[in-house]
Amino acid sequence: AQSVAQPEDQVNVAEGNPLTVKCTYSVSGNPYLFWYVQYPNRGLQFLLKYITGDNLVKGSYGFEAEFNKSQTSFHLKKPSALVSDSALYFCAVTKKWDKIIFGKGTRLHILP
Amino acid sequence: SQTIHQWPATLVQPVGSPLSLECTVEGTSNPNLYWYRQAAGRGLQLLFYSVGIGQISSEVPQNLSASRPQDRQFILSSKKLLLSDSGFYLCAWSSGTTYEQYFGPGTRLTVT
Repeated sequence: AQSVAQPEDQVNVAEGNPLTVKCTYSVSGNPYLFWYVQYPNRGLQFLLKYITGDNLVKGSYGFEAEFNKSQTSFHLKKPSALVSDSALYFCAVTKKWDKIIFGKGTRLHILP
Repeated sequence: SQTIHQWPATLVQPVGSPLSLECTVEGTSNPNLYWYRQAAGRGLQLLFYSVGIGQISSEVPQNLSASRPQDRQFILSSKKLLLSDSGFYLCAWSSGTTYEQYFGPGTRLTVT
């Protein structure tokens, strides 16, 4: 069975510093990986995905994620954090023709 | 472009009352549709998904049901609400050719 783990419940980063939100996964076969962001009382917004190809994936709002097959990780990164990046972030995994499994979420706090 | 609507945005209902939440998608045809529940601003629980009109798969046995009377309409129902049904209900859609899901704005349900 496939699974996804977000080991940090909360991440605090000073504004202007680089940020990383961690995600590891377990799936048999080739994984399809996603990141979503959720602002308070809103639905999830799709940020980026990895299906195949380049291991570094660029997405919305300056975010990027790096697929690392040997470490089964798909960490979300941004070079310079903004206060407006403060939100709840979800990593998700699936494989072809299967359901998406979401992580429990990581709350990102950007400190001004 | 595609848009997804949910209503109502908020709902307060007494225990034992019926429930009907509606989700509609515009700008696409034959989408896969999903209902999720999110408790306490954290992880997502997949409740139902549908790959076509009248085709509903249930992920969690409970007092909720779902229906898909039209191609782009997905309804979540209950005959008698429980306190434990309180939460944030999210509808999502995906196409048959890509894997990412796109979420609606959500319905905040409080059962009193």
